Amino acid sequence: KAGVTQTPRYLIKTRGQQVTLSCSPISGHRSVSWYQQTPGQGLQFLFEYFSETQRNKGNFPGRFSGRQFSNSRSEMNVSTLELGDSALYLCASSPPTAASYNEQFFGPGTRLTVL
Amino acid sequence: GQQLNQSPQSMFIQEGEDVSMNCTSSSIFNTWLWYKQDPGEGPVLLIALYKAGELTSNGRLTAQFGITRKDSFLNISASIPSDVGIYFCAGHIGNDMRFGAGTRLTVKP
Repeated sequence: KAGVTQTPRYLIKTRGQQVTLSCSPISGHRSVSWYQQTPGQGLQFLFEYFSETQRNKGNFPGRFSGRQFSNSRSEMNVSTLELGDSALYLCASSPPTAASYNEQFFGPGTRLTVL
Repeated sequence: GQQLNQSPQSMFIQEGEDVSMNCTSSSIFNTWLWYKQDPGEGPVLLIALYKAGELTSNGRLTAQFGITRKDSFLNISASIPSDVGIYFCAGHIGNDMRFGAGTRLTVKP
């Protein structure tokens, strides 16, 4: 079974630009969560999508947004990029069974560098 | 929400030694998870714990869900060089999922 895939793996942008990151969950998984990871703040939750609906949201500004498609693939968008947005952005999917819902499987991440 | 308290921050050990790290929280959780992250990669799930007091093993790894539901520990026995990486704990309850800051493990051959 293929794991969580994220594209692109690396991205360089300049301040003020916008960026869209993509995540394809493990087949059969319907929940997709996004995280920002930085050396200073560690892993921080951005938002979670389930069946095309945002189910949970972290404490990030409105410049960070996401969506989920009917095939469970998800995209995350960051507008008006700031230097502090440089980070590893991780996507994780969860299996649909109640017993293992809490288990998140992470993708390799997208390394975003803002210059 | 506030992140979990994970300790130690880093460890330098000799190959063959045992390792222990733990996570504590002021809040209770229904699930504790332990992940390992290699440089440039996403975290990989090592062990999932679902019940207070539960002790689970995965090869040389053993983790326990604390009785109070506010803590968990991970042990690695007979460490080997490929154990090098950052280990994260995560606690989950309802819509709340929090992570520890990680324990960076270095294993000297």
